[in-house]
Amino acid sequence: QVQLVESGGGVVQPGRSLRLSCAASGFTFSNYALHWVRQTPDKGLEWVAVSSYEGRSKNYADSMRGRFTVSRDNSKNTVYLQVDSLRAEDTAVYYCARLELERRPYDAFNIWGQGTMVTVSS
Amino acid sequence: QLTLTQSPSASASLGASVKLTCTLSGGHINYAIAWHQQQPGKGPRYLMKVNSDGSHTKEGGIPDRFSGSSSGTERYLTISSLQSEDEADYYCQTWDTASVVFGGGTKLTVL
Repeated sequence: QVQLVESGGGVVQPGRSLRLSCAASGFTFSNYALHWVRQTPDKGLEWVAVSSYEGRSKNYADSMRGRFTVSRDNSKNTVYLQVDSLRAEDTAVYYCARLELERRPYDAFNIWGQGTMVTVSS
Repeated sequence: QLTLTQSPSASASLGASVKLTCTLSGGHINYAIAWHQQQPGKGPRYLMKVNSDGSHTKEGGIPDRFSGSSSGTERYLTISSLQSEDEADYYCQTWDTASVVFGGGTKLTVL
């Protein structure tokens, strides 16, 4: 079945880096843009970044630009999110999400992963 | 600026109906939105897309009790015959050519 599984979360010290992974299955990965969304109790759901279906185009929320890097490996059906210089306010559940429509960068998200928790704390 | 506004909370009795509202910022009257449900302790689940003309397309497996509609800049999610498992947070989502935006979510309590 169509599935997204995130991994790589954990407890990280401020200033360190972390790479999250999202492994996909059950669909033609290279046909879909993949997004990262995070959720905190204070800010709710917050869009982070997108990797286009072929991986050539990336975009970030204005507040995420600079420390966040999205990438994908279509041979491994996996999308990644690198977060550098982690801050306490990056503490959140990070989800990857797939669009409803193929070969489009932005649309409704119809598939969500279960999320991976990142806690930034010394 | 593209934004979505939702009431923080709503409540309705078991078996009754409830209509949740998601309001688009002015100037974005033609935008479609998506509704997502998040039950306690779980990730979001896609329910449906609601278009500006009021039409909606539901994800497979979503009960007929869930429907969408639209009026002006408002997009609605109506849940009829409320069940206990409908108690959840409901988020709306929209997008433009360079970003994705979420509403703040509505916490639905089934009394």
